[in-house]
Amino acid sequence: DIQMTQSPSSLPASVGDRVTITCRASQNIYNYLNWYQQKPGQAPKFLLYSASTLQSGVPSTFSGSGSGTDFTLTISSLQPEDFATYYCQQSYSPPYTFGQGTKLEIK
Amino acid sequence: EVQLVESGGGLVQPGGSLRLSCATSGFTFSGYSMNWVRQAPGKGLEWLSYISSTRTTIYYADSVRGRFTISRDDAKNSLFLQMNSLRAEDTAIYYCVREGTSGWYFDYWGQGTLVTVSS
Repeated sequence: DIQMTQSPSSLPASVGDRVTITCRASQNIYNYLNWYQQKPGQAPKFLLYSASTLQSGVPSTFSGSGSGTDFTLTISSLQPEDFATYYCQQSYSPPYTFGQGTKLEIK
Repeated sequence: EVQLVESGGGLVQPGGSLRLSCATSGFTFSGYSMNWVRQAPGKGLEWLSYISSTRTTIYYADSVRGRFTISRDDAKNSLFLQMNSLRAEDTAIYYCVREGTSGWYFDYWGQGTLVTVSS
């Protein structure tokens, strides 16, 4: 199985900050990498696919990059509604594993 | 508007069974592959199972293979998960998830149904 490792697990930040979350795959997954946002008590929300393609309706402050084994999710200017937990997921081969999550917290 | 509504969760004893349902609307269900994903209390997301739009391809996570069965009824626009031999570690919120058409991603999620396995 492909293991997905996110870092950091927790990220204190302030409104207006630029933040980057890293996701590493245990083997080459090309660009089969997706990102989701989850707020407490809610279902996850789909943000990006194919490592860098933004889902319709997602603010352009979100961006993704990477290929192979190393990927990043960047939020260029944090808004209050962005404080949530973020998950990466590989869709290269089943089981379609998720990272353990990165909780973006208010500093 | 795409909607996915899970039902069938509840309290069940270890070793018991439950059948989860996911009623969908707002899209052509028969044209989409579907998945189940769960989340244990306070934990991360765990993908469980996939069924293709044509039912020809089905995948399971090792943790549920042989105990859980995914199925779909296109006439009823519904997805199902039959869960047998339930264990305490199966306690989680179970999400019904649609797979997008442009790639292998999960674009719409239901609100989830809680399954609690406890004596």
